[in-house]
This record gives sequence, C-alpha cells and structure tokens, in this order.
Amino acid sequence: SQTIHQWPATLVQPVGSPLSLECTVEGTSNPNLYWYRQAAGRGLQLLFYSVGIGQISSEVPQNLSASRPQDRQFILSSKKLLLSDSGFYLCAWSHGGSYEQYFGPGTRLTVT
Amino acid sequence: EDQVTQSPEALRLQEGESSSLNCSYTVSGLRGLFWYRQDPGKGPEFLFTLYSAGEEKEKERLKATLTKKESFLHITAPKPEDSATYLCAVYSGTYKYIFGTGTRLKVLA
Repeated sequence: SQTIHQWPATLVQPVGSPLSLECTVEGTSNPNLYWYRQAAGRGLQLLFYSVGIGQISSEVPQNLSASRPQDRQFILSSKKLLLSDSGFYLCAWSHGGSYEQYFGPGTRLTVT
Repeated sequence: EDQVTQSPEALRLQEGESSSLNCSYTVSGLRGLFWYRQDPGKGPEFLFTLYSAGEEKEKERLKATLTKKESFLHITAPKPEDSATYLCAVYSGTYKYIFGTGTRLKVLA
C-alpha cells in the first residue's frame, strides 16, 4: 500500500530564516505531487505541483519554492521566511486517471 | 471562475440524528468531486470520488451524492467518532483542485 510522509511535524522559525519541508511517498512510482497551505477558515490553497522529476509548476507567486530531486520526494523551501508564511502545509499525491489525492500528515509552521 | 461553497460552516448533532452536508460548485468541465474527512491537526483523509451527476457512493454511515450543481454528504445515525471537518473539492483538469472551506461536524453523545 502507499504511504506518504512529511517532516518535520511542527516547526517554529524566526522571520528571515530559511525553510525546508520534505515529503516522500512510498509504494508507488511516478506520482503527481502537490504542496498545499491551509489557513484557518480558508480552503486548501494549492502552492506547487509536479508531474515528474525536476518538473515544478507554481500556482501562486510568493516567497516559496519547490523542488523534486527524486521521483517520490518533494521539497518546499524558502530563503527568507515571512510572518505570512505561517500555516499548515500539506503534501499530497495522485496517480493515474482517478484524480483523487492522498494527503500526508502535514507540517505546522509558525513564523515568529 | 471555479468555486466551491460548503454549508453549513458548522453543525452540531446528537448521536443518532441524521443530517446532510452540502457542497455547491461552479466549474468548467467537472472531472471529479471529492469528499475528505479532516481531524484537528491532521491531513485530510480521502472518502469518496464522484464523477457524474446521479452517482452515489457509500461507506459505513456516509453516503455521497452528486448533481450538476451540488453534492451532498449524508450522515446516517452519526456517532461521536464521526466528529471532524468534512472537505469538498472539485477537479477540472490541469492538476488544479479547488477546495471548499469545510463543514465542522460535532456529534454529541
């Protein structure tokens, strides 16, 4: 069966510091990968998606970037965090023609 | 513009009191509508995919239905462990998913 991991689970970082969140998927190959941010009272906001190694599409221009160095690894980064980057970050994967997404456990990021 | 609206925002039920959650959508070319359950501090858990009007899916006490404009998640005889936020999302292609803000369900024993 497929499993998706995210780490760290929680993170507290000062403004201006760098960020690296990691997501890995097990039990499948060539998945589509996604990064979302979830703010309180708002729907999930799609940040990035990737259909293959090195292929990244950005949905919202912002302070964040994403990379996919391996087939089942997806990384969310920032060079300098802003207060507005605080939130709950979710990684998801999908595969094939069924379209449904499966989410990881999430990372709670607090920028202070 | 593609849009998903969920109602009510919050719902309190007594154990055994059946009810329905609504997901209204406007999308150009629906490829799929999804329901998820999300517990506090956790990632959404996939429940159902619906592809076309008239389709229905069931899982335990949950039943999802789809029309051309909305979807309903029916909860029959809920239990306290059904308490969670239920999210609806639509997919119209090109890897873009639109999520609603969810319905927070609380089932009282």
